[in-house]
Amino acid sequence: KNQVEQSPQSLIILEGKNCTLQCNYTVSPFSNLRWYKQDTGRGPVSLTIMTFSENTKSNGRYTATLDADTKQSSLHITASQLSDSASYICVVILPPYYGGSQGNLIFGKGTKLSVKP
Amino acid sequence: GAVVSQHPSRVICKSGTSVKIECRSLDFQATTMFWYRQFPKKSLMLMATSNEGSKATYEQGVEKDKFLINHASLTLSTLTVTSAHPEDSSFYICSARLAGGVKETQYFGPGTRLLVL
Repeated sequence: KNQVEQSPQSLIILEGKNCTLQCNYTVSPFSNLRWYKQDTGRGPVSLTIMTFSENTKSNGRYTATLDADTKQSSLHITASQLSDSASYICVVILPPYYGGSQGNLIFGKGTKLSVKP
Repeated sequence: GAVVSQHPSRVICKSGTSVKIECRSLDFQATTMFWYRQFPKKSLMLMATSNEGSKATYEQGVEKDKFLINHASLTLSTLTVTSAHPEDSSFYICSARLAGGVKETQYFGPGTRLLVL
């Protein structure tokens, strides 16, 4: 069964500190993996996207890694800011030709990050 | 980046009435749009896949007569919640698929908060 597991479920850190969020997946076949940030009451916004052959991708203070052998990804946030408080969702995308709906997304349940002053 | 809008952003209605939610891709054409529902502290759940010019494909357990989907053009899909009940209160998010080879993905709208009294 295709699954995406994220940890921790929630995390509280102080402003300025770094943190790392984890994502393990059992999705196959695999097209690409994305990390999204979802503010409360808003739709998800894409942070990074990585294909099978990419093992790191940065977007400002966000750096995502991907180990396709162990099927693990992480999102590292550097020098956290209060505005980083949100849910971070790991999404694995199936190829569009792979059964079901085109461009199937398998969602993790997200990690709720709270950055405190 | 690609922009997807939703209207209204929030709506309160009486039980038994119908509510229409619009999803627009503002700067690209989307042959496929997706409708999700998200309950508090839960991950997004795919409700249906909307294809321009054809009938929507509903996920198991989603009543197609209750959640009417129309994809009239390449930039607009609508979701109508018919005879809404309090249990339909939720956060509804649409996304539009931007085809792009192995990095194709979906861009999410900002969501619509529905409260049925």
